[in-house]
Amino acid sequence: GENVEQHPSTLSVQEGDSAVIKCTYSDSASNYFPWYKQELGKGPQLIIDIRSNVGEKKDQRIAVTLNKTAKHFSLHITETQPEDSAVYFCAASINSGGYQKVTFGTGTKLQVIP
Amino acid sequence: SAVISQKPSRDICQRGTSLTIQCQVDSQVTMMFWYRQQPGQSLTLIATANQGSEATYESGFVIDKFPISRPNLTFSTLTVSNMSPEDSSIYLCSVLERRSSGYTFGSGTRLTVV
Repeated sequence: GENVEQHPSTLSVQEGDSAVIKCTYSDSASNYFPWYKQELGKGPQLIIDIRSNVGEKKDQRIAVTLNKTAKHFSLHITETQPEDSAVYFCAASINSGGYQKVTFGTGTKLQVIP
Repeated sequence: SAVISQKPSRDICQRGTSLTIQCQVDSQVTMMFWYRQQPGQSLTLIATANQGSEATYESGFVIDKFPISRPNLTFSTLTVSNMSPEDSSIYLCSVLERRSSGYTFGSGTRLTVV
C-alpha cells in the first residue's frame, strides 16, 4: 500500500520567516495530495490541495509543489504568523473502489515564534 | 463544505465498558470514515462506513471491537467496546463530499480509559 513520509517532525521559525514541510510518497498511482492543519483540540482542516496534473498551486501565503517524477511534494508557508502554529499533515490519495483513499503523513508540529 | 458535529467531545471511561461516539453531518454524504489518532501521532483509518451496508474495516481493526452503524446519509456511530487503557486516543469522524476529493473532519472525541 501507499507509504507517506513527512519531514521535519518539528519546525520552529521566527514570525515573518518562511516554513517548508516536505513529503514523499511511494505509489505512483496517487493522484491527489491534500494538506491539513490541526490546531490543538480540533480536527484536521484542509488548507490546500493539489492534483497530479498540476505542478504548483498557491493560495495567499500558502503554496504547494508537486514533483511526480521524484514522488515528493512540499508545503510552503511565507510570512509566517503565530496563528500558523499547529500540526500539519500531508496526505497522498489514490482512487480505490470509486473513492479517494487517503494515506496521511506523520505530521509536522510548526511553532512560529513571535 | 459539510459541517460535522461529533459528540461527546471528550470522555473518561472505566476499563471494560463501552462508549458510543456519534457523528452528525449537515448534508448528505457518500462516505463516512472513522479514524483514530493516538497522542502526538498521525491519523489511522479504522473503517469506512457506507449507508445500507456493512462497514469495511482496515487491517488491525475488527467489528467486535469497533462496531459501526450508518443508518442514513447524514449520521454514523462508532462504538469502542470493552475498553482498555490502550484505547485512549482521539477518535475522528470524516466525510467525503461528493463534489470534491477533499475530506472534512469532525472535531474529534478525546477518550481516556482508566
